[in-house]
Amino acid sequence: SQQGEEDPQALSIQEGENATMNCSYKTSINNLQWYRQNSGRGLVHLILIRSNEREKHSGRLRVTLDTSKKSSSLLITASRAADTASYFCATGSNYKLTFGKGTLLTVNP
Amino acid sequence: KAGVTQTPRYLIKTRGQQVTLSCSPISGHRSVSWYQQTPGQGLQFLFEYFSETQRNKGNFPGRFSGRQFSNSRSEMNVSTLELGDSALYLCASSPRTAVSETQYFGPGTRLLVL
Repeated sequence: SQQGEEDPQALSIQEGENATMNCSYKTSINNLQWYRQNSGRGLVHLILIRSNEREKHSGRLRVTLDTSKKSSSLLITASRAADTASYFCATGSNYKLTFGKGTLLTVNP
Repeated sequence: KAGVTQTPRYLIKTRGQQVTLSCSPISGHRSVSWYQQTPGQGLQFLFEYFSETQRNKGNFPGRFSGRQFSNSRSEMNVSTLELGDSALYLCASSPRTAVSETQYFGPGTRLLVL
């Protein structure tokens, strides 16, 4: 079963623009993570936010978490063509993760 | 440290055959988890091995099995392959300690069943 559901399913923007993806989940969590996947390859861990945190930054990434709404958002600022990938939110533990369906981000040069 | 490695990267099999996939975790990581990714079902947890024992299992039929060796390397086996088993199989490793909250993924093995 899918714990996280990303929105939108697909997003197409121009280089330099910001991209925002949203994730909703169903049960209580200890943390929520975001992963990136380039064209059907392995998943790359981007950022983890704990349930007692509201916002976290890493480079051009900004993640927010609203546990009352069971939702999170990932903002990528000043996007680049290399950011083109699928982005997944995931909840769970360090041995079992439950993923959403993902958002396919296309950044056009 | 070297990352998680998976072999082979690509496989083509026919229905009814069996297949074995291999995963070498990051050095020092004792937990290896396997996931199946398909366009229809997305990323789904198969099972997790820790210290050579299966600790957690997802909702997959018994045709999917695995094992872990003393060096933490893991293999996944799928018997009597079906067309629906065509997928990207990902493994992930973790030290499974309280201070490490995430998993690190390999590049995956893409399996095509004809």
